[in-house]
Amino acid sequence: KQEVTQIPAALSVPEGENLVLNCSFTDSAIYNLQWFRQDPGKGLTSLLLIQSSQREQTSGRLNASLDKSSGRSTLYIAASQPGDSATYLCAVVGSSNTGKLIFGQGTTLQVKP
Amino acid sequence: DVKVTQSSRYLVKRTGEKVFLECVQDMDHENMFWYRQDPGLGLRLIYFSYDVKMKEKGDIPEGYSVSREKKERFSLILESASTNQTSMYLCASTDGAHQPQHFGDGTRLSIL
Repeated sequence: KQEVTQIPAALSVPEGENLVLNCSFTDSAIYNLQWFRQDPGKGLTSLLLIQSSQREQTSGRLNASLDKSSGRSTLYIAASQPGDSATYLCAVVGSSNTGKLIFGQGTTLQVKP
Repeated sequence: DVKVTQSSRYLVKRTGEKVFLECVQDMDHENMFWYRQDPGLGLRLIYFSYDVKMKEKGDIPEGYSVSREKKERFSLILESASTNQTSMYLCASTDGAHQPQHFGDGTRLSIL
């Protein structure tokens, strides 16, 4: 059974710092991995999607990498800002073709001015 | 941009009531999903649908049913609401396993 783990559960950094969020998964047979952002009381916003054949994806200050063989992904945030404060979730689509997502518990990020 | 709209942001119901949560997407997506999110348990899949009138159980379907009469609309039904169904409910849609999932803003449901 696929399990997704995110460490740390919470992270506090000063503004301007570069940071890395970690995600690991137990079964390397995935279709893709998706990173989301969730603000308090809100839904999920899709940040980046990495297909199983890709190594990384970039969007603005965000860079996500995928190492399928080791079951790991990282989300790199450059030059963090207070507006980046949110919970970041990673999720994988397993071997089924239905698109069902399996989520990690998330990392809650606080960027202090 | 994909738009996934959930009919209510907040809802308060009483135990034993039949509750309907509605979700509409505007991108002609094939697949739609209902998740619930609880502190300490994360997001868990309740039901999903990969075509009109087609549905499959997720990880926690007990106490729920779904309806998909039209492609753009996916409804979650609590047959007889109970207090342990108090939660944040999130709807999502996608055009296939290789495509990103897009989420609505969520419905925070309280069962009293």
